[in-house]
Amino acid sequence: DTAVSQTPKYLVTQMGNDKSIKCEQNLGHDTMYWYKQDSKKFLKIMFSYNNKELIINETVPNRFSPKSPDKAHLNLHINSLELGDSAVYFCASSPQPRAAGSTTGELFFGEGSRLTVL
Amino acid sequence: AQSVTQPDIHITVSEGASLELRCNYSYGATPYLFWYVQSPGQGLQLLLKYFSGDTLVQGIKGFEAEFKRSQSSFNLRKPSVHWSDAAEYFCAVGAVFMEYGNKLVFGAGTILRVKS
Repeated sequence: DTAVSQTPKYLVTQMGNDKSIKCEQNLGHDTMYWYKQDSKKFLKIMFSYNNKELIINETVPNRFSPKSPDKAHLNLHINSLELGDSAVYFCASSPQPRAAGSTTGELFFGEGSRLTVL
Repeated sequence: AQSVTQPDIHITVSEGASLELRCNYSYGATPYLFWYVQSPGQGLQLLLKYFSGDTLVQGIKGFEAEFKRSQSSFNLRKPSVHWSDAAEYFCAVGAVFMEYGNKLVFGAGTILRVKS
């Protein structure tokens, strides 16, 4: 069973469109993240949710809106797509660092969703 | 704020040779340190991590890393590289925030090529 799964794996779309990427984790973790990997492979955190609550919001344009319907899901919706949004978006999850049996905060990543904006 | 520097963008080693990938970090408190590996078209897989205790940590696939506080370094090593180790390697430093999670800041990555 895949621990952190993202769909779709590939997404090609036109500028100006709106698109969503879905993420689900079956690890029972409380915290989920979205990271963006740009064309130079640089990974940067975008958002983090803990039990459906937003706890990290880096300086991301408000065209990006994360939504967490429950603690196992964190979706990313992007409005009015721009060329610069082309990247690989990674979802990740982690247990709470101080939870019993926690592996103290390592992140478990999905396989990524490659978004190409034309 | 934490930051990570991986000075080598590319490294090429011969199969069977030893490997060392460099990582320097900046963080005000005791860091959580990680090495992840990304194969082409794949997600990131955790190789090893350091939180406290023994400064030499062992990971999967025969990798190890040594935390040196005086040098702010966490270099990754492998005594004998296999062709399947060709991938991109990311060092990351983490800070526990609000007891909820771990904000990882990644280095720019080092691409490892293995020649036969």
